[in-house]
Amino acid sequence: GDSVTQMEGPVTLSEEAFLTINCTYTATGYPSLFWYVQYPGEGLQLLLKATKADDKGSNKGFEATYRKETTSFHLEKGSVQVSDSAVYFCALSGNSNYQLIWGAGTKLIIKP
Amino acid sequence: DGGITQSPKYLFRKEGQNVTLSCEQNLNHDAMYWYRQDPGQGLRLIYYSQIVNDFQKGDIAEGYSVSREKKESFPLTVTSAQKNPTAFYLCASPTGLAGAQFFGPGTRLTVL
Repeated sequence: GDSVTQMEGPVTLSEEAFLTINCTYTATGYPSLFWYVQYPGEGLQLLLKATKADDKGSNKGFEATYRKETTSFHLEKGSVQVSDSAVYFCALSGNSNYQLIWGAGTKLIIKP
Repeated sequence: DGGITQSPKYLFRKEGQNVTLSCEQNLNHDAMYWYRQDPGQGLRLIYYSQIVNDFQKGDIAEGYSVSREKKESFPLTVTSAQKNPTAFYLCASPTGLAGAQFFGPGTRLTVL
């Protein structure tokens, strides 16, 4: 079945460092791919999405490119801030019921 | 503003008691979902409903029940049959953006 694999956390970086959180997927067909962010004690917020190969999703300085050849959707940010500390989830949607397949989440800690 | 509300934010219950978590949306969406989140883990689907008066079991439905009598409401009951109910519960609804989902703020249930 479809699945999403994320790099294990926590990922700890200093402020202004470059961020990469890896996400790879297994899916039949052509899924849409998503990154969600969860701040402590809150629900999930959609961060960015891509719906087809080579699409780049971007929001709030974060980017991810849909790479069909490597089945990846890695999240990147050029300069992280303390306020980016959160848990990041990669997910895919491949069927008409809009059910999402979730990665386990990666906790990001940014130190000042 | 359109959105999803969940109440209460924190809920405590004694072992052996049933408890109902509220989820209300004013987005006029047909579909609604319930997820469970455990520390350090991704989201697991409990139940989902594509339309009023219809709902389907997700991956971990045992020990839970739902109803969908109104489009706006999708309450989740955690029954005494749920062996390990302490978790963070999230309600969601698809936004129509290629399968993306909009989340409520969550309810943290603790069994004492």
